[in-house]
Amino acid sequence: NAGVMQNPRHLVRRRGQEARLRCSPMKGHSHVYWYRQLPEEGLKFMVYLQKENIIDESGMPKERFSAEFPKEGPSILRIQQVVRGDSAAYFCASSPIDGSYEQYFGPGTRLTVT
Amino acid sequence: GDSVTQMEGPVTLSEEAFLTINCTYTATGYPSLFWYVQYPGEGLQLLLKATKADDKGSNKGFEATYRKETTSFHLEKGSVQVSDSAVYFCALLGAQKLVFGQGTRLTINP
Repeated sequence: NAGVMQNPRHLVRRRGQEARLRCSPMKGHSHVYWYRQLPEEGLKFMVYLQKENIIDESGMPKERFSAEFPKEGPSILRIQQVVRGDSAAYFCASSPIDGSYEQYFGPGTRLTVT
Repeated sequence: GDSVTQMEGPVTLSEEAFLTINCTYTATGYPSLFWYVQYPGEGLQLLLKATKADDKGSNKGFEATYRKETTSFHLEKGSVQVSDSAVYFCALLGAQKLVFGQGTRLTINP
């Protein structure tokens, strides 16, 4: 059973460009979570999604950030008009049922904004 | 809101030393508690967990006990190895999302 997959593993963008990060949950998992890890810090929750629904986006910046988890295909975290402060590692996690169950993490996407 | 406080690092030990990394939490109710480990350049791996008071989670020689009275979940290992060098994160599961501590970087010297 393949684990959580994220791509790309590394992404370099210039200021003002768009970044798209993809996450494929583990087989049978219908709940996806995105977390951000700034350099030398812990992970901070961004958003929790089920198929076609955003359940909790309380950790998402109000502007430039969006997330989706369509009926078919991976979950996408989209950052428009990136700035240097967006440079971080973005981790996706999935769980098989609701948030009361443990979460399994992907390897992360390391975004560098130049 | 919910929060997790971890012992600040970095922590450097010699091989075969005893390890303790302190973790305390603040939460409403009794959340599940976790320790995750992150090796350089990799994602987080679940190390161990406990879902209720007095539960002891254990894995790969690491242990942690859910202490409701002291709201703590300290990580211990009796004899560390060089391969244990990593960053360790304590976390609680509250309101369907994980809340992490700031992480403790552990380095084990041979």
